[in-house]
Amino acid sequence: DAGVIQSPRHEVTEMGQEVTLRCKPISGHDYLFWYRQTMMRGLELLIYFNNNVPIDDSGMPEDRFSAKMPNASFSTLKIQPSEPRDSAVYFCASSFSKKGPGELFFGEGSRLTVL
Amino acid sequence: DQQVKQNSPSLSVQEGRISILNCDYTNSMFDYFLWYKKYPAEGPTFLISISSIKDKNEDGRFTVFLNKSAKHLSLHIVPSQPGDSAVYFCAASKAAGNKLTFGGGTRVLVKP
Repeated sequence: DAGVIQSPRHEVTEMGQEVTLRCKPISGHDYLFWYRQTMMRGLELLIYFNNNVPIDDSGMPEDRFSAKMPNASFSTLKIQPSEPRDSAVYFCASSFSKKGPGELFFGEGSRLTVL
Repeated sequence: DQQVKQNSPSLSVQEGRISILNCDYTNSMFDYFLWYKKYPAEGPTFLISISSIKDKNEDGRFTVFLNKSAKHLSLHIVPSQPGDSAVYFCAASKAAGNKLTFGGGTRVLVKP
């Protein structure tokens, strides 16, 4: 069974440009999470969805960040406009609620560099 | 406001010896704790978990201990192997939801 799939794996862009990161969760999972990893802040939760509905977006740093989940098999995280401080690795993860709390399956991450 | 803390950023241990990783938390509402392992250029992978109703959970070479009164948990790896070299994240959640709060990670290096 395929794991969580993220694209692109690497993105280099210039300040002010729009960035869209994509995620395909594991089929059948009902939770989807977006995390960001930086040296300073470690792994921080940005937003998570349950059955395609955003539940908690309190971790989204600014209005420049937005996330959508139009269906159970696809989610996007958009940054517009991007800034150098947005440079980080962005992870998408999914889980199945019936399996128990917290056992998330992570994608390989999207490394974003904003110049 | 770091609710989950791993105070040791790195740990070096000889192959065959025990690795002990520590984690502290501040939120008493957490009742499920997990450890994740992360290799470079990969996403974190689940390693072992423990519910707050237990004080120990063992899975092969990995054992997690929970001290609720001290709000402290630890991960023991014995014996340590070179393939265990990775970054280990402690995480906590409230049973009512799947949201995980992670610690900052501890980089483990197992020397042959």
